[in-house]
Amino acid sequence: AQSVTQLDSQVPVFEEAPVELRCNYSSSVSVYLFWYVQYPNQGLQLLLKYLSGSTLVKGINGFEAEFNKSQTSFHLRKPSVHISDTAEYFCAVILQGGKLIFGQGTELSVKP
Amino acid sequence: DAGVIQSPRHEVTEMGQEVTLRCKPISGHNSLFWYRQTMMRGLELLIYFNNNVPIDDSGMPEDRFSAKMPNASFSTLKIQPSEPRDSAVYFCASSPGTSGRLNTGELFFGEGSRLTVL
Repeated sequence: AQSVTQLDSQVPVFEEAPVELRCNYSSSVSVYLFWYVQYPNQGLQLLLKYLSGSTLVKGINGFEAEFNKSQTSFHLRKPSVHISDTAEYFCAVILQGGKLIFGQGTELSVKP
Repeated sequence: DAGVIQSPRHEVTEMGQEVTLRCKPISGHNSLFWYRQTMMRGLELLIYFNNNVPIDDSGMPEDRFSAKMPNASFSTLKIQPSEPRDSAVYFCASSPGTSGRLNTGELFFGEGSRLTVL
């Protein structure tokens, strides 16, 4: 079973519209959850993380995510996207032993 | 401050040749990770080190792949012999994780080495 599943491979959206990128995790893994962003021809950068505490996590560039234990989800949201948000977004989870495992990625395409 | 430095950025080689990818992690980080990214498989963890010691190499696809970390500031990933299916972008990442404790997941990635095997 997949440890982390991103439900959408591509999400097209118009500039200034809200966006939600969906991520579900296996309940058998730890609940250390992350979102990373990858801009074209670059490595990944950490957007935000949930380790404990408040279930609403705020990250860089106006993104936020909400940890929902009952639905085993960690969806990423932004109320108003910019062209510069066009990138691939990866949800990730830490497995026992410290392995950070990524989902398949969601390509966010922001159109003018 | 310098981030994670990988070399070469691009490598084109012929099947059967040896390929060596290099990584310099961020100073002070004690965990190092090698990932491979392809369209078909996404991001795969190949191996990771903690304090220069390999912790988990279960993601290394075959014996043709080997990785070393002779000191805290240098790691290599070697493919010998290379095959066309090894074509991918290989990322190195480091983390300021604490020895003996769970990795906090804050990885800092290099810009990747794009390998093409003809």
